[in-house]
Amino acid sequence: GAGVSQSPRYKVAKRGQDVALRCDPISGHVSLFWYQQALGQGPEFLTYFQNEAQLDKSGLPSDRFFAERPEGSVSTLKIQRTQQEDSAVYLCASRHLGGEQYFGPGTRLTVT
Amino acid sequence: AQSVSQHNHHVILSEAASLELGCNYSYGGTVNLFWYVQYPGQHLQLLLKYFSGDPLVKGIKGFEAEFIKSKFSFNLRKPSVQWSDTAEYFCAVTQGGGADGLTFGKGTHLIIQP
Repeated sequence: GAGVSQSPRYKVAKRGQDVALRCDPISGHVSLFWYQQALGQGPEFLTYFQNEAQLDKSGLPSDRFFAERPEGSVSTLKIQRTQQEDSAVYLCASRHLGGEQYFGPGTRLTVT
Repeated sequence: AQSVSQHNHHVILSEAASLELGCNYSYGGTVNLFWYVQYPGQHLQLLLKYFSGDPLVKGIKGFEAEFIKSKFSFNLRKPSVQWSDTAEYFCAVTQGGGADGLTFGKGTHLIIQP
């Protein structure tokens, strides 16, 4: 079936703008994860949902970052008042029960 | 907090050479271990995983990894690499139960020369 999809694939924002990044998980996957991958680094965990419940948001770097999954399917990661250090690839992954995580292609955010 | 260390950031090999990429993690409890690969222009894909049982796990495309609990290591191996193995390789860990997110290493950029 279809994999995890993310949109937009590329986003350029001026410093101070708000952005919203979307993730469509694999249908039926209960768990959804967001990661941030800076250039030359491995992905870093941001937050985790089980259905619509956000069970862990310990990795969100500041209160400018907010994620939601209101109906337990599609998720949106919102970054308010973007800063240059927010430039990174934002990855979404979904998982069915205790299985492996399946990753989307990512959204490359560039803040100018 | 757990962390993952990958020793080699850039590796260049010739085709048919043997490969071993090092991975060490820091966490004293039960862990689940993973190797992910990212081919140029593609998204992260799972190569192999260890949850429990036989510490030698086999993955796709001829890759294998050995979990050595006493050394906190999960090294990736392949006896004979191909040009198509050129990619970024990431080791990752979660605590047992798998409820939390993955902790990744910084990755190893592998280049295979034909």
